[in-house]
Amino acid sequence: DTAVSQTPKYLVTQMGNDKSIKCEQNLGHDTMYWYKQDSKKFLKIMFSYNNKELIINETVPNRFSPKSPDKAHLNLHINSLELGDSAVYFCASSQGIGGHTGELFFGEGSRLTVL
Amino acid sequence: GENVEQHPSTLSVQEGDSAVIKCTYSDSASNYFPWYKQELGKRPQLIIDIRSNVGEKKDQRIAVTLNKTAKHFSLHITETQPEDSAVYFCASTGTGRRALTFGSGTRLQVQP
Repeated sequence: DTAVSQTPKYLVTQMGNDKSIKCEQNLGHDTMYWYKQDSKKFLKIMFSYNNKELIINETVPNRFSPKSPDKAHLNLHINSLELGDSAVYFCASSQGIGGHTGELFFGEGSRLTVL
Repeated sequence: GENVEQHPSTLSVQEGDSAVIKCTYSDSASNYFPWYKQELGKRPQLIIDIRSNVGEKKDQRIAVTLNKTAKHFSLHITETQPEDSAVYFCASTGTGRRALTFGSGTRLQVQP
């Protein structure tokens, strides 16, 4: 059973399009995150939700809109895609806030390529 | 906010040698320091962590040391093997902080 699963794994799209990435965790964790990993491998926090409540929104353009319908799901919608949005987007979850109460579990990543 | 610096960015060692990766952090309130390993095309996965009430922790061939006074912590891998080749990330967080802050990663290559 996959603990944190995200779909799709690969996304290739044109500039200006809108796309969504979905994430689900079956670990019973309270907190979920979106991280962006660019071509230099930097892992940067974008958003975090705790029990469906947004607790982190890190200087991300408002073209990015997360949605958490319940604590097991965290989706990411991106409007008007730009070349610089090309990256691998990782969903993650942890028990408690901040990851210091336990391990951060990552999904497999969704590689977004904007042409 | 917290700033985590990680060195070196790349590290190449011969199989059987030791590898050391170092990180410094800025927030003296940080109290949890995990290390993640990311193999090519895969997700980051936790390999070891340390809390601020401990100076050193070992798990088989890997160990982490923490110097709270100097605000730095290190990952030590002994008897390296080709399967240790990956990108390693340090991270830090603390009570009241809402997410891990990651270092910039170290690409370790173990030459057979």
